[in-house]
Amino acid sequence: DGGITQSPKYLFRKEGQNVTLSCEQNLNHDAMYWYRQDPGQGLRLIYYSQIVNDFQKGDIAEGYSVSREKKESFPLTVTSAQKNPTAFYLCASSPWGRVGDTEAFFGQGTRLTVV
Amino acid sequence: DAKTTQPPSMDCAEGRAANLPCNHSTISGNEYVYWYRQIHSQGPQYIIHGLKNNETNEMASLIITEDRKSSTLILPHATLRDTAVYYCIVKGNTGKLIFGQGTTLQVKP
Repeated sequence: DGGITQSPKYLFRKEGQNVTLSCEQNLNHDAMYWYRQDPGQGLRLIYYSQIVNDFQKGDIAEGYSVSREKKESFPLTVTSAQKNPTAFYLCASSPWGRVGDTEAFFGQGTRLTVV
Repeated sequence: DAKTTQPPSMDCAEGRAANLPCNHSTISGNEYVYWYRQIHSQGPQYIIHGLKNNETNEMASLIITEDRKSSTLILPHATLRDTAVYYCIVKGNTGKLIFGQGTTLQVKP
C-alpha cells in the first residue's frame, strides 16, 4: 500500500529532551512537509522540503530541525529550545513539477506530549 | 501565497446539500484552490481542487466564481460521517499549503 507513515502515534518525553518524529513515504513524492496543530486550531507549517538535501523554514520553524537525506524520509526533531512542544504533528508529501496542480497526502499524525 | 477566509462553523441537516463558502480575494492567476477535511485527531483528507473551472468528483463539487475571489464546496447529500473541519487553501508554485482555521461542519440527523 502506498502512503505516508508517521511513527509513533503517541509519544511522551520529559521536558528538556530532544525528540525525533519519523515520517516515511513510498509515493515517490519529491516534496515533504511538517505541520503542527494545537487543540482547536488549524495547521501551521514548520518546515518543508522540495528535494533531497534541501529544505526551507515555514512559519514556525524555531525550536525545530529537519533533515532530508533520502527522498522517502523527512524526520523532524523537536529540540529543547521549542518552548511549547506538546502538540499534534502532521507530515505530508506531494509531487513536485506542476506544483499547484498536485494534491498533498497526509500521514495520521504523531501526538507529542512533553511532561 | 494567498490567504483564505471561512466561516468558523456551519450546520447542515443529514441528506441535504452542505455548501461551504471560502473567500480568497488575493488569489493570483496561477494559484489553485484546494479543499481538505479533517476528522478529529486524524490527518487531513484531500477532497477536491480547481483553478478556474468548476470541478466535480465522487466526494464533492467545487464552484469557483468567475473572478476567482471566492469558491464554494458542495457536499450534495451530507451524512453524519461528513461532520469534520473543512479547510479551504490556496496553493501556488511555492508548493506551500497554508491552512487557515477552517469551517467546522456539523451534520445533524
